[in-house]
Amino acid sequence: KAGVTQTPRYLIKTRGQQVTLSCSPISGHRSVSWYQQTPGQGLQFLFEYFSETQRNKGNFPGRFSGRQFSNSRSEMNVSTLELGDSALYLCATFRDSSNTEAFFGQGTRLTVV
Amino acid sequence: TQLLEQSPQFLSIQEGENLTVYCNSSSVFSSLQWYRQEPGEGPVLLVTVVTGGEVKKLKRLTFQFGDARKDSSLHITAAQPGDTGLYLCAGNYGGSQGNLIFGKGTKLSVKP
Repeated sequence: KAGVTQTPRYLIKTRGQQVTLSCSPISGHRSVSWYQQTPGQGLQFLFEYFSETQRNKGNFPGRFSGRQFSNSRSEMNVSTLELGDSALYLCATFRDSSNTEAFFGQGTRLTVV
Repeated sequence: TQLLEQSPQFLSIQEGENLTVYCNSSSVFSSLQWYRQEPGEGPVLLVTVVTGGEVKKLKRLTFQFGDARKDSSLHITAAQPGDTGLYLCAGNYGGSQGNLIFGKGTKLSVKP
């Protein structure tokens, strides 16, 4: 069974640009969450999707957005990039709508210059 | 705001030594998990504890959930270089499924 796939693995963007990250869940997993990991703050919850609906959103500015498609694949978008958005962005998927055991992708390392 | 405090933040030990990592909160968690993350990779789930007082063993790793479900510990016996990594505890306080609260992690280095 293939794991959670995140693309791209690495990205370098300039301040002010926008970026889209992709996450393909494990087959059969319909719940997807996104996290931002930085050395100072650790892993922080961004948002959570189930069956194409956003169920919850973390404390991040509106520049951070996401969506989920009918095949459970998810994307997150960051607009007007700032230097502080440099981080490892992790996608996690879950077996069903209530199980809290997360299966993580390898992440996308975003560097904003 | 629910917080998970992990200690120590860094740990550097010799192969064969024992160690304990702690995860504490003032909030009650419905479940708590431990993950290990290696550089350039996503976290990998080690264990989930659900019942207060629960003890789970995974080879040389022993996980304990506090009676009040507010704290947990991870004990490694006879550490090996392959145990090196970032250990993260994460809790769900009964909120939405995917909104896990993570501790900042314990960076463990085991030297041969």
